[in-house]
Amino acid sequence: AQSVTQPDIHITVSEGASLELRCNYSYGATPYLFWYVQSPGQGLQLLLKYFSGDTLVQGIKGFEAEFKRSQSSFNLRKPSVHWSDAAEYFCAVGAAAGNKLTFGGGTRVLVKP
Amino acid sequence: DTAVSQTPKYLVTQMGNDKSIKCEQNLGHDTMYWYKQDSKKFLKIMFSYNNKELIINETVPNRFSPKSPDKAHLNLHINSLELGDSAVYFCASNYGYTFGSGTRLTVV
Repeated sequence: AQSVTQPDIHITVSEGASLELRCNYSYGATPYLFWYVQSPGQGLQLLLKYFSGDTLVQGIKGFEAEFKRSQSSFNLRKPSVHWSDAAEYFCAVGAAAGNKLTFGGGTRVLVKP
Repeated sequence: DTAVSQTPKYLVTQMGNDKSIKCEQNLGHDTMYWYKQDSKKFLKIMFSYNNKELIINETVPNRFSPKSPDKAHLNLHINSLELGDSAVYFCASNYGYTFGSGTRLTVV
């Protein structure tokens, strides 16, 4: 069965500092991996996805993520956070196109001025 | 135009009532999903339809019944609502590329 762990429940970062959110997955084959952002009271917005190919994936809003098969990880990074990046971030894994997504528990990001 | 739209955005109802949440996507996708987000923000798949056919049915009480009249619509009907059904319900299409803005259901 597929599963996702986001080890950090909360992260506080200063505006302008870099951000890295951890995601570890468990899946037997090549996973399809996603990162979403959810602002308070809003829906989920897809930041980026990995299906195959280049293991460094660029997304929207200046985010990127790196797939590391040996570590079963898909960590999300941003070089310089903005106050508007304060939100909940979810990592998800899927088995194949059209199949279900399994989500991690989320990481809440707080941005200090 | 909103790609995946859900109505209503908020729904407050009493225990025992029956309610429906509607979802429509104008993206031409074949596959649509319902996810539930509980009070701890945990997201879990409930159902998936591909071109009006049910393909995923997780362990969900049979009080929940999805209905897909066509591939652009996936509605969720809930019978005999219970306090524990209070959550945010998200519709999505095409393997999670696009999520709706959610329906916050509160059962009192």
